[in-house]
Amino acid sequence: AQKVTQAQTEISVVEKEDVTLDCVYETRDTTYYLFWYKQPPSGELVFLIRRNSFDEQNEISGRYSWNFQKSTSSFNFTITASQVVDSAVYFCALAMIYNQGGKLIFGQGTELSVKP
Amino acid sequence: NAGVTQTPKFQVLKTGQSMTLQCAQDMNHEYMSWYRQDPGMGLRLIHYSVGAGITDQGEVPNGYNVSRSTTEDFPLRLLSAAPSQTSVYFCASRPDRGRGETQYFGPGTRLLVL
Repeated sequence: AQKVTQAQTEISVVEKEDVTLDCVYETRDTTYYLFWYKQPPSGELVFLIRRNSFDEQNEISGRYSWNFQKSTSSFNFTITASQVVDSAVYFCALAMIYNQGGKLIFGQGTELSVKP
Repeated sequence: NAGVTQTPKFQVLKTGQSMTLQCAQDMNHEYMSWYRQDPGMGLRLIHYSVGAGITDQGEVPNGYNVSRSTTEDFPLRLLSAAPSQTSVYFCASRPDRGRGETQYFGPGTRLLVL
């Protein structure tokens, strides 16, 4: 079965701390795609990153970095030097490319609160 | 480009009423989808469409209908609203370069069924 687990329901940090959001996925497919989305308090879903199963290179974008490890089926997201504007719910998602038109399976989300 | 737009932003319905949630995109994407977001459950697929005239069911289709008469529009209809349909609804679209392409979401419609 395809599944995404974000075990951390809520995380609270103080500004400038580093924080890592965990994402563990399950799939039997050899080709798949993983995503992270941000949902700020305003409610929209903002795309952050997409990664395919054949590319295990870590990625860094400013204060954001992602660590993809197929061996542990994890796709973790780290925010360095967190800021108040990073406060949001973050969703990890897995694309089922062989089923239902490529639907996204979402984790339950991690609510990050960054306090000044 | 406006991207993916949804109307209304917020709606209150009484049990048994019907309504249509509107979704439009101006990116010429063939694939469009509807998800609902409930607390602690992430987002779940309701219906999707791979092009005009083609729709199919997702994970939680009961109580909802869709149609796709144009590439741009993908409305979601609630035939007889129930309190269990209280949720936030997101429409999304995706470029046609493959099923692993990124889906871009609209701003959402918050629905309350009393």
